[in-house]
Amino acid sequence: AQSVTQLGSHVSVSEGALVLLRCNYSSSVPPYLFWYVQYPNQGLQLLLKYTTGATLVKGINGFEAEFKKSETSFHLTKPSAHMSDAAEYFCAVASSGYSTLTFGKGTMLLVSP
Amino acid sequence: SQTIHQWPATLVQPVGSPLSLECTVEGTSNPNLYWYRQAAGRGLQLLFYSVGIGQISSEVPQNLSASRPQDRQFILSSKKLLLSDSGFYLCAWSVQWGQAGELFFGEGSRLTVL
Repeated sequence: AQSVTQLGSHVSVSEGALVLLRCNYSSSVPPYLFWYVQYPNQGLQLLLKYTTGATLVKGINGFEAEFKKSETSFHLTKPSAHMSDAAEYFCAVASSGYSTLTFGKGTMLLVSP
Repeated sequence: SQTIHQWPATLVQPVGSPLSLECTVEGTSNPNLYWYRQAAGRGLQLLFYSVGIGQISSEVPQNLSASRPQDRQFILSSKKLLLSDSGFYLCAWSVQWGQAGELFFGEGSRLTVL
């Protein structure tokens, strides 16, 4: 079965600092991986996804993630945090039939001035 | 363009009362439809998904049921709510099989059971 582990329920950074949100996955098939962002009381919005091909994936708002098969990881990074990046971030892996997504428990990103 | 609507946005219900949350998708045909529940500190839990009218798959046995009476309509129901049903319910859609599973979410419905 597919599973996702996000290390750290909360991550705090200063504005302008590097953002690193960690995600490790388990998958019985070649993984399709996703990062979503959720602002308070809203639905989730796709940041980026990896299916096949280039392992470094660029998304919206300056975020990127790198698929590392040997480490079963898909960490999310952004070189310089902005106050507007404060939100909850979810990593997800597609099911073996690629019809549903299994989500991690989320990481709340706090950005201080 | 495709849009997804959920209602009501917020709901406060007493224990033992019924529930109906509705979700509709516009601008696409024959989507996969999903209900997720988000509880504090527990991430998103897949409750039901549907690949077509009348076809419902339940991921977690519980006090809830789902129905898909029309191609782009997905309803989450309960006959008698429990305190543990409180949470933020998210409807989502995706294109059909083999499309990498990207989900598009509604704005959510916050349910408080008292």
